[in-house]
Amino acid sequence: DAGVTQSPTHLIKTRGQQVTLRCSPKSGHDTVSWYQQALGQGPQFIFQYYEEEERQRGNFPDRFSGHQFPNYSSELNVNALLLGDSALYLCASSLRLTGPYEQYFGPGTRLTVT
Amino acid sequence: AQSVTQPDIHITVSEGASLELRCNYSYGATPYLFWYVQSPGQGLQLLLKYFSGDTLVQGIKGFEAEFKRSQSSFNLRKPSVHWSDAAEYFCAVGGSGGGADGLTFGKGTHLIIQP
Repeated sequence: DAGVTQSPTHLIKTRGQQVTLRCSPKSGHDTVSWYQQALGQGPQFIFQYYEEEERQRGNFPDRFSGHQFPNYSSELNVNALLLGDSALYLCASSLRLTGPYEQYFGPGTRLTVT
Repeated sequence: AQSVTQPDIHITVSEGASLELRCNYSYGATPYLFWYVQSPGQGLQLLLKYFSGDTLVQGIKGFEAEFKRSQSSFNLRKPSVHWSDAAEYFCAVGGSGGGADGLTFGKGTHLIIQP
């Protein structure tokens, strides 16, 4: 049973560029959440997708956008990259409608903006 | 707004000694509480969770945590630590939206194990 997978593992971008990160949820899960973890900090919630729609959003600007596909996989897009966007981006999957939930995390994508 | 405080940035414990990591939360309703562990360069692994019922919850790897509503705390404990427990530990709180909520994490506690 495959867990949550993310690609790529590492990425280096230049300030002002755009980036797309990808996530495949754990088998049987239908909800994907994205988190940003800056160095030495806890993860911060970016947004959550269910039924191909953004359902909840944390305190992140519109430069951060996402998408969920019919197979439940998801993408995180960040436009106009800033140095401060350098972080580990974590994807988590869960099953929405089975009562109390728990989120399973992928290994993350390390984004470096230069 | 919900928040999580982990007062200890670093904790050093001798191998075989007991461990307690502190977590305090702020949440307006009944919280869902979690402890995650993160090894260097890895994602987060769920250690245990509290939703309701018995306030002492057991998790994986010999960890347990106790929910104390009066103190707004959810401290993580282990009776005897192993060198492999060295990692970053995060406490998190979520709402009761049945999966519709993002988690709010603390800043983490870095656990160092002395031989």
